[in-house]
Amino acid sequence: EPEVTQTPSHQVTQMGQEVILRCVPISNHLYFYWYRQILGQKVEFLVSFYNNEISEKSEIFDDQFSVERPDGSNFTLKIRSTKLEDSAMYFCASTGQTSYEQYFGPGTRLTVT
Amino acid sequence: AQKVTQAQTEISVVEKEDVTLDCVYETRDTTYYLFWYKQPPSGELVFLIRRNSFDEQNEISGRYSWNFQKSTSSFNFTITASQVVDSAVYFCALSEARDSNYQLIWGAGTKLIIKP
Repeated sequence: EPEVTQTPSHQVTQMGQEVILRCVPISNHLYFYWYRQILGQKVEFLVSFYNNEISEKSEIFDDQFSVERPDGSNFTLKIRSTKLEDSAMYFCASTGQTSYEQYFGPGTRLTVT
Repeated sequence: AQKVTQAQTEISVVEKEDVTLDCVYETRDTTYYLFWYKQPPSGELVFLIRRNSFDEQNEISGRYSWNFQKSTSSFNFTITASQVVDSAVYFCALSEARDSNYQLIWGAGTKLIIKP
């Protein structure tokens, strides 16, 4: 069964450093999403991406964040200058044309020290 | 504005008991989708069910059943004869299809503890 993959599974970085979280969505899916979950809290929407552009973003997704689909298979989330409060689990998801069900990757745990 | 409320922060029951997790949602759209996801201690999000706003039929899948009531804006989830492996955090979520964007709005989650 096709699945969404994410790398790395755990990333530790120092405050102020740039990080890139990578996702490979399901190959024929068209809509891509990033969510984050601070430990013990609810899942929060960050950004959605369709047709090579951002379709919607939340207040959390400020200028420090960017997304890219560099090569038709990867979907990346970049945090330019990490802060302690960026420590969270980041989930990537993708959706097909008509299924409306979002398939989630296993997540990347980001720890900012 | 859309919102999902899961009022039960944590529920603890003894194995084999039935348990119902509540979910109440708010939306102004007539077309929307409701979901339940399970998050076991390992952290991944496991899809359980999707229901669209035009289908109010209840659904049963093994020990799991869902009760969708538009009149009360609720989409409750019942586990019958609970098992220890059901212990997890369960999230209810809402999606409104707007301009090809199906972002999920999540409830705060209910932590379910099944004691042996």
